[in-house]
Amino acid sequence: NAGVMQNPRHLVRRRGQEARLRCSPMKGHSHVYWYRQLPEEGLKFMVYLQKENIIDESGMPKERFSAEFPKEGPSILRIQQVVRGDSAAYFCASSPQEKLFFGSGTQLSVL
Amino acid sequence: DAKTTQPPSMDCAEGRAANLPCNHSTISGNEYVYWYRQIHSQGPQYIIHGLKNNETNEMASLIITEDRKSSTLILPHATLRDTAVYYCIVRPPFYNQGGKLIFGQGTELSVKP
Repeated sequence: NAGVMQNPRHLVRRRGQEARLRCSPMKGHSHVYWYRQLPEEGLKFMVYLQKENIIDESGMPKERFSAEFPKEGPSILRIQQVVRGDSAAYFCASSPQEKLFFGSGTQLSVL
Repeated sequence: DAKTTQPPSMDCAEGRAANLPCNHSTISGNEYVYWYRQIHSQGPQYIIHGLKNNETNEMASLIITEDRKSSTLILPHATLRDTAVYYCIVRPPFYNQGGKLIFGQGTELSVKP
């Protein structure tokens, strides 16, 4: 059973471009969570999704950030018009229920 | 905000037991104590969780005080690969708010030869 798969592993964008981060949950997991870790800081919750539904987006910035988890395919975290402050590691986790399993993350660098 | 307090850092000699404390004095009766760790640059890894009783698995033991206001994670024979940041997290049951975890600053454990 493959773990949580995130791609790309590293993503470089120039200011103003869009970044799309993908997360394929473990087989059978219907809950997906996104976290952001800024340099030298802790993990911050962003959003919790189930298939086709956003359950909790209390940690999402109000502008430029969106997330989806469609019926088919991976969960996508989309950042529009990236700025240097968006440079961070973005981790995705999935769960059947109680325990979260994390992916290896996407390191986003904004030039 | 995180509902737990942990020392920012600890050292442990290789082969010895590592005892990581956590205070959660405001824990509610139905909230669980979870432990995760993050090895440098990797995604967090689940270690163990419990409600009231002490728990043990292949990775660690979790000791929860009778009043549930504090707990200790025990790595029985620490190795260099156990060097990581360890997070103690208090969380309601899944049916309350799903599996959402709120991470604090954690304890940076350094295992030394």
